[in-house]
Amino acid sequence: NAGVTQTPKFRVLKTGQSMTLLCAQDMNHEYMYWYRQDPGMGLRLIHYSVGEGTTAKGEVPDGYNVSRLKKQNFLLGLESAAPSQTSVYFCASRREGNQPQHFGDGTRLSIL
Amino acid sequence: AQSVTQLGSHVSVSEGALVLLRCNYSSSVPPYLFWYVQYPNQGLQLLLKYTSAATLVKGINGFEAEFKKSETSFHLTKPSAHMSDAAEYFCAVTVSGGTSYGKLTFGQGTILTVHP
Repeated sequence: NAGVTQTPKFRVLKTGQSMTLLCAQDMNHEYMYWYRQDPGMGLRLIHYSVGEGTTAKGEVPDGYNVSRLKKQNFLLGLESAAPSQTSVYFCASRREGNQPQHFGDGTRLSIL
Repeated sequence: AQSVTQLGSHVSVSEGALVLLRCNYSSSVPPYLFWYVQYPNQGLQLLLKYTSAATLVKGINGFEAEFKKSETSFHLTKPSAHMSDAAEYFCAVTVSGGTSYGKLTFGQGTILTVHP
């Protein structure tokens, strides 16, 4: 069971570069989420999706864009990376109802 | 809006001792509460969840938590700590319906250290 798979696992960028983080889930979940984790701050929601073709802003959306063209994939984009976006990024998914979220193993992103 | 406060960013116990990790929440409507564990360089794994059924919830690895509405608390306990319990623990809250969409609000996390 793959569950939630994030690629890449590690990446180093220079300020101003762009990149896309991919999240794929094989559980046919409707809902998907992108979080960032920073020391002492827990996880904060960046964007989320309630179904294929939908996206919405979370708590800290600035500097990020997302797309959900296919139900199983949720992409997180950084158009012009900044050092403040150095973080660990987690993707999660869940099915409908009062169900818990399932998390990927994270992407460690460093921006120099 | 919901919020979560975890009291104590670091907790240290001896192997075999009681583990108590504190979580207090704020919510204007009945909450759903979760505890997740994160081992180094891994994602979050669900320990247990409260979704308005029994107030005492049992989870994996011998952990349990009790929902106390009067105290707005959802503390995590384990009677006897094991070395393998060393990890970071997160409490999270969401609510049902409306525009919630199951979005989680996390506490700041508590790092549990277990000494031999």
